[in-house]
Amino acid sequence: AQTVTQSQPEMSVQEAETVTLSCTYDTSESDYYLFWYKQPPSRQMILVIRQEAYKQQNATENRFSVNFQKAAKSFSLKISDSQLGDAAMYFCAYRSTNSGNTPLVFGKGTRLSVIA
Amino acid sequence: DGGITQSPKYLFRKEGQNVTLSCEQNLNHDAMYWYRQDPGQGLRLIYYSQIVNDFQKGDIAEGYSVSREKKESFPLTVTSAQKNPTAFYLCASSLISHQPQHFGDGTRLSIL
Repeated sequence: AQTVTQSQPEMSVQEAETVTLSCTYDTSESDYYLFWYKQPPSRQMILVIRQEAYKQQNATENRFSVNFQKAAKSFSLKISDSQLGDAAMYFCAYRSTNSGNTPLVFGKGTRLSVIA
Repeated sequence: DGGITQSPKYLFRKEGQNVTLSCEQNLNHDAMYWYRQDPGQGLRLIYYSQIVNDFQKGDIAEGYSVSREKKESFPLTVTSAQKNPTAFYLCASSLISHQPQHFGDGTRLSIL
């Protein structure tokens, strides 16, 4: 079974600075998808960014980018120019491409605080 | 607007009582999922359904039951066998595997 590990329970960053959240995963599959979700205090789950394992190019979405290292099974999220609205729980998630619409496997999350 | 609707937002259960959490989607998604969220635990899978009239147990299915009679609906029943039901429950759906899951706003279940 696949597992996802987020080794940083809490992180903090100064407003306008850059922060990187870590995520590692364990799988024997060669094709899969990786996601970062944001959960603000409202508890709504918001997709931040998605990466297909067969693509070598790292995904970017505005201030959010990933560093995908397939051999190392690492998928870190970089937030540039941090804003107060970025304060939230961030979850890394893995999705297999085998057998149809498989569920996500989540890490335990990293709570990000943004300091004004 | 298409989306996922979970109701109620807050739910209270008495000892020995079964309660049902509603999840409805109008996204025409084939697959639906139920996750439980506890502090420090992330999201854990309870049940999921890839098509109507079919569903599979997740990692923590004991004490829960589901049905999938319609594509749009995937209700979760928390039975009296679930001894620690206090948690935040999230429902999600997806169209096909490479698309991300969409989530509802969640239901907070507490014991009276």
